[in-house]
Amino acid sequence: GEDVEQSLFLSVREGDSSVINCTYTDSSSTYLYWYKQEPGAGLQLLTYIFSNMDMKQDQRLTVLLNKKDKHLSLRIADTQTGDSAIYFCAEGAHASGGSYIPTFGRGTSLIVHP
Amino acid sequence: IAGITQAPTSQILAAGRRMTLRCTQDMRHNAMYWYRQDLGLGLRLIHYSNTAGTTGKGEVPDGYSVSRANTDDFPLTLASAVPSQTSVYFCASSRTSGSHNEQFFGPGTRLTVL
Repeated sequence: GEDVEQSLFLSVREGDSSVINCTYTDSSSTYLYWYKQEPGAGLQLLTYIFSNMDMKQDQRLTVLLNKKDKHLSLRIADTQTGDSAIYFCAEGAHASGGSYIPTFGRGTSLIVHP
Repeated sequence: IAGITQAPTSQILAAGRRMTLRCTQDMRHNAMYWYRQDLGLGLRLIHYSNTAGTTGKGEVPDGYSVSRANTDDFPLTLASAVPSQTSVYFCASSRTSGSHNEQFFGPGTRLTVL
Protein backbone atom coordinates (compact mmCIF):
# COMPACT_ATOMS: atom_id res chain seq x y z
CA GLY A 1 0.00 0.00 0.00
CA GLU A 2 0.83 3.65 -0.24
CA ASP A 3 1.56 3.97 3.47
CA VAL A 4 4.49 1.55 3.52
CA GLU A 5 7.27 2.00 1.00
CA GLN A 6 10.17 -0.23 0.10
CA SER A 7 12.48 -0.57 -2.86
CA LEU A 8 11.42 -3.23 -5.35
CA PHE A 9 14.69 -5.05 -5.99
CA LEU A 10 17.97 -5.90 -4.26
CA SER A 11 20.74 -8.01 -5.71
CA VAL A 12 23.60 -9.32 -3.53
CA ARG A 13 26.42 -11.80 -3.78
CA GLU A 14 26.24 -14.98 -1.74
CA GLY A 15 27.98 -14.52 1.61
CA ASP A 16 27.48 -10.74 1.68
CA SER A 17 25.02 -8.94 3.94
CA SER A 18 21.67 -7.78 2.61
CA VAL A 19 19.88 -4.72 3.90
CA ILE A 20 16.24 -4.16 2.98
CA ASN A 21 14.77 -0.79 3.92
CA CYS A 22 11.22 0.31 4.58
CA THR A 23 9.47 3.52 5.54
CA TYR A 24 6.02 3.74 7.06
CA THR A 25 3.65 6.54 7.91
CA ASP A 26 1.45 5.53 10.84
CA SER A 27 3.18 6.66 14.03
CA SER A 28 0.64 4.75 16.10
CA SER A 29 1.86 1.39 14.77
CA THR A 30 2.69 -0.75 17.78
CA TYR A 31 4.32 -3.59 15.92
CA LEU A 32 6.22 -3.73 12.66
CA TYR A 33 6.74 -6.93 10.73
CA TRP A 34 8.90 -8.55 8.10
CA TYR A 35 7.33 -11.33 6.04
CA LYS A 36 9.05 -13.58 3.51
CA GLN A 37 7.41 -14.98 0.39
CA GLU A 38 9.12 -17.78 -1.48
CA PRO A 39 8.15 -18.49 -5.10
CA GLY A 40 4.68 -19.94 -5.47
CA ALA A 41 3.90 -19.73 -1.77
CA GLY A 42 2.10 -17.53 0.69
CA LEU A 43 3.78 -15.13 3.08
CA GLN A 44 5.42 -16.31 6.28
CA LEU A 45 6.30 -14.15 9.24
CA LEU A 46 10.06 -13.76 9.46
CA THR A 47 10.37 -11.47 12.45
CA TYR A 48 8.72 -8.51 14.12
CA ILE A 49 9.70 -5.64 16.38
CA PHE A 50 7.77 -3.81 19.05
CA SER A 51 7.69 -0.06 18.54
CA ASN A 52 9.51 0.73 21.79
CA MET A 53 12.57 -1.23 20.66
CA ASP A 54 15.43 0.06 18.52
CA MET A 55 16.88 -3.26 17.50
CA LYS A 56 16.06 -6.94 17.50
CA GLN A 57 18.47 -9.70 16.56
CA ASP A 58 17.51 -13.26 15.69
CA GLN A 59 20.35 -15.43 14.38
CA ARG A 60 21.28 -13.99 10.96
CA LEU A 61 18.52 -11.40 11.05
CA THR A 62 18.81 -7.92 12.55
CA VAL A 63 15.90 -5.51 12.58
CA LEU A 64 16.57 -1.82 13.17
CA LEU A 65 13.81 0.65 13.94
CA ASN A 66 14.14 4.43 13.81
CA LYS A 67 10.79 5.53 15.13
CA LYS A 68 11.55 9.24 14.71
CA ASP A 69 12.12 8.81 10.98
CA LYS A 70 9.59 5.95 10.67
CA HIS A 71 12.28 3.81 9.10
CA LEU A 72 12.62 0.05 9.44
CA SER A 73 15.38 -2.13 8.06
CA LEU A 74 16.09 -5.85 7.85
CA ARG A 75 19.67 -7.01 7.67
CA ILE A 76 20.45 -10.58 6.64
CA ALA A 77 24.01 -11.60 7.46
CA ASP A 78 25.87 -14.14 5.30
CA THR A 79 23.14 -14.16 2.66
CA GLN A 80 22.52 -17.55 1.06
CA THR A 81 20.81 -18.53 -2.19
CA GLY A 82 17.94 -19.89 -0.09
CA ASP A 83 17.29 -16.34 1.08
CA SER A 84 16.17 -15.39 -2.43
CA ALA A 85 12.55 -14.37 -2.01
CA ILE A 86 10.26 -11.36 -1.76
CA TYR A 87 10.40 -9.58 1.59
CA PHE A 88 7.45 -7.54 2.77
CA CYS A 89 7.49 -4.86 5.41
CA ALA A 90 4.19 -4.38 7.27
CA GLU A 91 2.92 -2.01 9.91
CA GLY A 92 0.14 -2.91 12.30
CA ALA A 93 -2.00 0.11 11.57
CA HIS A 94 -5.01 0.93 13.70
CA ALA A 95 -8.25 0.36 11.85
CA SER A 96 -11.84 1.13 12.73
CA GLY A 97 -13.55 -0.54 15.68
CA GLY A 98 -10.37 -0.93 17.71
CA SER A 99 -8.80 -3.54 15.48
CA TYR A 100 -5.37 -3.50 13.88
CA ILE A 101 -4.89 -4.56 10.28
CA PRO A 102 -1.40 -4.91 8.85
CA THR A 103 -0.62 -2.66 5.90
CA PHE A 104 1.96 -4.19 3.58
CA GLY A 105 4.57 -2.60 1.39
CA ARG A 106 4.94 -3.68 -2.22
CA GLY A 107 7.72 -6.11 -1.37
CA THR A 108 11.44 -6.21 -2.13
CA SER A 109 12.67 -8.99 -4.39
CA LEU A 110 16.01 -10.20 -3.04
CA ILE A 111 18.17 -11.94 -5.62
CA VAL A 112 21.24 -13.78 -4.33
CA HIS A 113 23.81 -14.74 -6.91
CA PRO A 114 26.92 -16.89 -6.50
CA ILE B 1 -2.28 -30.70 9.91
CA ALA B 2 -2.90 -27.29 11.45
CA GLY B 3 -2.94 -24.41 9.08
CA ILE B 4 -4.90 -22.56 6.47
CA THR B 5 -6.03 -24.04 3.18
CA GLN B 6 -7.41 -22.49 0.01
CA ALA B 7 -9.27 -23.96 -2.94
CA PRO B 8 -8.98 -24.10 -5.84
CA THR B 9 -5.24 -23.81 -6.40
CA SER B 10 -5.85 -22.16 -9.73
CA GLN B 11 -8.80 -21.38 -11.96
CA ILE B 12 -9.46 -19.97 -15.39
CA LEU B 13 -12.82 -18.24 -15.53
CA ALA B 14 -14.88 -16.61 -18.26
CA ALA B 15 -15.81 -12.97 -17.66
CA GLY B 16 -19.27 -12.59 -16.20
CA ARG B 17 -19.19 -15.90 -14.32
CA ARG B 18 -19.66 -16.19 -10.58
CA MET B 19 -16.83 -17.70 -8.58
CA THR B 20 -16.27 -18.51 -4.91
CA LEU B 21 -12.78 -18.93 -3.52
CA ARG B 22 -12.70 -21.07 -0.42
CA CYS B 23 -10.58 -20.57 2.68
CA THR B 24 -10.52 -22.73 5.79
CA GLN B 25 -8.37 -22.56 8.91
CA ASP B 26 -8.19 -24.99 11.79
CA MET B 27 -6.26 -22.84 14.24
CA ARG B 28 -9.39 -21.32 15.84
CA HIS B 29 -8.17 -17.88 14.83
CA ASN B 30 -10.65 -15.07 15.34
CA ALA B 31 -9.58 -12.83 12.47
CA MET B 32 -9.40 -13.67 8.77
CA TYR B 33 -8.43 -11.67 5.70
CA TRP B 34 -8.50 -11.76 1.92
CA TYR B 35 -5.72 -10.13 -0.11
CA ARG B 36 -4.95 -9.92 -3.78
CA GLN B 37 -1.38 -9.80 -5.00
CA ASP B 38 -0.53 -8.13 -8.28
CA LEU B 39 2.89 -7.54 -9.79
CA GLY B 40 4.29 -4.22 -8.66
CA LEU B 41 1.36 -3.51 -6.33
CA GLY B 42 2.15 -5.84 -3.48
CA LEU B 43 -0.66 -7.10 -1.26
CA ARG B 44 -3.94 -5.24 -1.14
CA LEU B 45 -6.63 -6.02 1.40
CA ILE B 46 -10.03 -6.89 -0.08
CA HIS B 47 -12.15 -7.77 2.95
CA TYR B 48 -11.54 -8.85 6.51
CA SER B 49 -13.37 -10.33 9.45
CA ASN B 50 -12.38 -9.68 13.06
CA THR B 51 -14.60 -12.45 14.38
CA ALA B 52 -17.29 -14.85 13.20
CA GLY B 53 -20.40 -12.98 12.15
CA THR B 54 -18.64 -9.70 11.29
CA THR B 55 -16.94 -8.48 8.14
CA GLY B 56 -15.31 -5.27 6.97
CA LYS B 57 -14.15 -3.68 3.74
CA GLY B 58 -10.51 -3.34 2.90
CA GLU B 59 -8.68 -1.23 0.36
CA VAL B 60 -10.16 -2.82 -2.79
CA PRO B 61 -13.58 -4.34 -1.95
CA ASP B 62 -15.51 -3.53 -5.14
CA GLY B 63 -16.68 -6.60 -7.05
CA TYR B 64 -16.08 -8.93 -4.08
CA SER B 65 -18.19 -10.13 -1.19
CA VAL B 66 -17.43 -12.28 1.85
CA SER B 67 -19.26 -14.04 4.63
CA ARG B 68 -18.15 -15.40 8.00
CA ALA B 69 -20.78 -17.83 9.19
CA ASN B 70 -18.35 -19.65 11.48
CA THR B 71 -14.82 -19.35 12.84
CA ASP B 72 -13.14 -21.67 10.36
CA ASP B 73 -14.41 -20.58 6.94
CA PHE B 74 -14.13 -17.30 5.07
CA PRO B 75 -15.23 -17.63 1.42
CA LEU B 76 -14.65 -14.86 -1.10
CA THR B 77 -17.19 -14.46 -3.91
CA LEU B 78 -16.82 -12.71 -7.23
CA ALA B 79 -20.40 -12.11 -8.33
CA SER B 80 -19.57 -11.36 -11.97
CA ALA B 81 -15.89 -11.73 -12.74
CA VAL B 82 -14.02 -9.17 -14.84
CA PRO B 83 -10.53 -9.42 -16.38
CA SER B 84 -9.13 -6.88 -13.88
CA GLN B 85 -9.79 -9.45 -11.16
CA THR B 86 -7.08 -11.65 -12.62
CA SER B 87 -4.70 -11.99 -9.70
CA VAL B 88 -3.30 -14.26 -7.02
CA TYR B 89 -5.59 -14.33 -4.01
CA PHE B 90 -4.32 -15.03 -0.52
CA CYS B 91 -6.37 -15.82 2.52
CA ALA B 92 -4.82 -15.18 5.93
CA SER B 93 -5.79 -15.55 9.55
CA SER B 94 -4.58 -14.22 12.88
CA ARG B 95 -5.35 -15.22 16.44
CA THR B 96 -6.70 -11.77 17.23
CA SER B 97 -7.19 -8.42 15.55
CA GLY B 98 -5.28 -6.71 18.34
CA SER B 99 -2.11 -4.68 18.09
CA HIS B 100 0.09 -7.76 17.64
CA ASN B 101 -1.54 -10.00 15.09
CA GLU B 102 0.85 -12.31 13.33
CA GLN B 103 -0.84 -13.43 10.15
CA PHE B 104 -0.75 -16.94 8.75
CA PHE B 105 -1.20 -17.19 5.01
CA GLY B 106 -2.67 -19.84 2.79
CA PRO B 107 -0.87 -21.03 -0.36
CA GLY B 108 -2.93 -18.79 -2.63
CA THR B 109 -5.38 -19.18 -5.53
CA ARG B 110 -4.24 -18.09 -8.97
CA LEU B 111 -7.29 -16.75 -10.83
CA THR B 112 -7.37 -15.82 -14.49
CA VAL B 113 -10.45 -14.09 -15.88
CA LEU B 114 -10.72 -14.10 -19.66
